Amino acid sequence: QLQLQESGPGLVKPSETLSLTCAVSGASISSTDYYWGWIRQPPGKGLEWIGSIYYGGSTYYNPSLKSRVTISVDTSKNQFSLKLSSVTAADTAVYYCAISSGWGAFDIWGQGTMLTVSS
Amino acid sequence: EIVLTQSPGTLSLSPGERATLSCRASQSVTSSYLAWYQQKPGQAPRLLIYGASSRATGIPDRFSGSGSGTDFTLTIRRLEPEDFAVYYCQQYGSSGGVTFGPGTKVDIK
Repeated sequence: QLQLQESGPGLVKPSETLSLTCAVSGASISSTDYYWGWIRQPPGKGLEWIGSIYYGGSTYYNPSLKSRVTISVDTSKNQFSLKLSSVTAADTAVYYCAISSGWGAFDIWGQGTMLTVSS
Repeated sequence: EIVLTQSPGTLSLSPGERATLSCRASQSVTSSYLAWYQQKPGQAPRLLIYGASSRATGIPDRFSGSGSGTDFTLTIRRLEPEDFAVYYCQQYGSSGGVTFGPGTKVDIK
């Protein structure tokens, strides 16, 4: 059964770089059947797509975040990661990783990890 | 970037009633790459519909999706108590970009 699990620091200081990891079980991160994404949700607000990474390493990012975002894959650990630089309080959110098996829809989501930006 | 608008913002209904949720796109959505999700408090979103009208695995048939181009609809035929939640539409563009609508909250009347 395919499962995703996010992990991260929980608290990051303003101007620092946040790093989150999504561990994948039940499927290979190298599979051509899927692509992988990050989505976030500020407290009490809606969903915001951050970016996606495809087999072969192609990445697509939300234009509003593109200058600060990097998504990468670690095949040795079967996981993918998100880095967001120069964070501010506006980046405080629950961060979800998710997988898509086609049609542009995210089939399976991790449980989410709360990240707070505060000094 | 395609902008999605959902209406109404809140839908107040009773169990057993029919719910009709609308999602409108600022430009035509590529090949009906339009999905619907359900989210309950404290939970991750759950995929309900993909390709505008195909139900995801395990989704009851009281949920149905329709539409094409710029106008899409999610219908819940007879609301069950567990259906009261927030519903989001989402589109996937030819350039690989993704956008979500602002959501419709279905609450108990």
